[in-house]
Amino acid sequence: DVVMTQTPVSLSVSLGNQASISCRSSQSLLHSDGNTYLSWYLQKPGQSPQLLIYLASNRFSGVSNRFSGSGSGTDFTLKISRVEPEDLGVYYCFQHTHLPLTFGSGTKLEIK
Amino acid sequence: EVQLVESGGGLVQPGSSLKLSCVASGFTFSNYGMNWIRQAPKKGLEWIALIYYDSSNKYYADSVKGRFTISRDNSKNTLYLEMNSLRSEDTAMYYCAKLAGALDYWGQGVMVTVSS
Repeated sequence: DVVMTQTPVSLSVSLGNQASISCRSSQSLLHSDGNTYLSWYLQKPGQSPQLLIYLASNRFSGVSNRFSGSGSGTDFTLKISRVEPEDLGVYYCFQHTHLPLTFGSGTKLEIK
Repeated sequence: EVQLVESGGGLVQPGSSLKLSCVASGFTFSNYGMNWIRQAPKKGLEWIALIYYDSSNKYYADSVKGRFTISRDNSKNTLYLEMNSLRSEDTAMYYCAKLAGALDYWGQGVMVTVSS
């Protein structure tokens, strides 16, 4: 199984500052079709997860441009610029290049 | 507007069965793969099952293989998860999610509690 290692486990950021979350996979997430099926989600307190980034670097419809994804192969990063109060919650990376599909263990973002 | 609405959860005893449903609207259900994901209390997300748009392929996490069955009825825009031989470790919120390049839409979740 592909292990998704997210760091840090938790992050405390002042409003207006930048946050960065890393996700490393135990195997390359480049699919034979040329796509990299790595996505990022935010689960706000008491809510279902919501998609932020798909195919490693594409912002989903309606997602603020303060969120950006980058990376390839086994090393990926989610950056949140100018952190706002509504950004708090748990962030997860997820891969669906390989079966079984797997999530990272999550990064809890707190506002300092 | 895309909507996914789960139902069928509840409190059940170990060893029993339960069937969850997820009714979809706002998109052409028969064109997309669908997933079940669960989240145990205070824990992270765990993918548990995927079904292709035409039911031609189904995949499961090892933790549920042989006990859970994913299915769909495209004429009713409905996804199902039949859960047998339930264990205490199956206690979780269960979400259905549409797959289109990523898990782009999720339901609100339905709680399943397995306890004697």
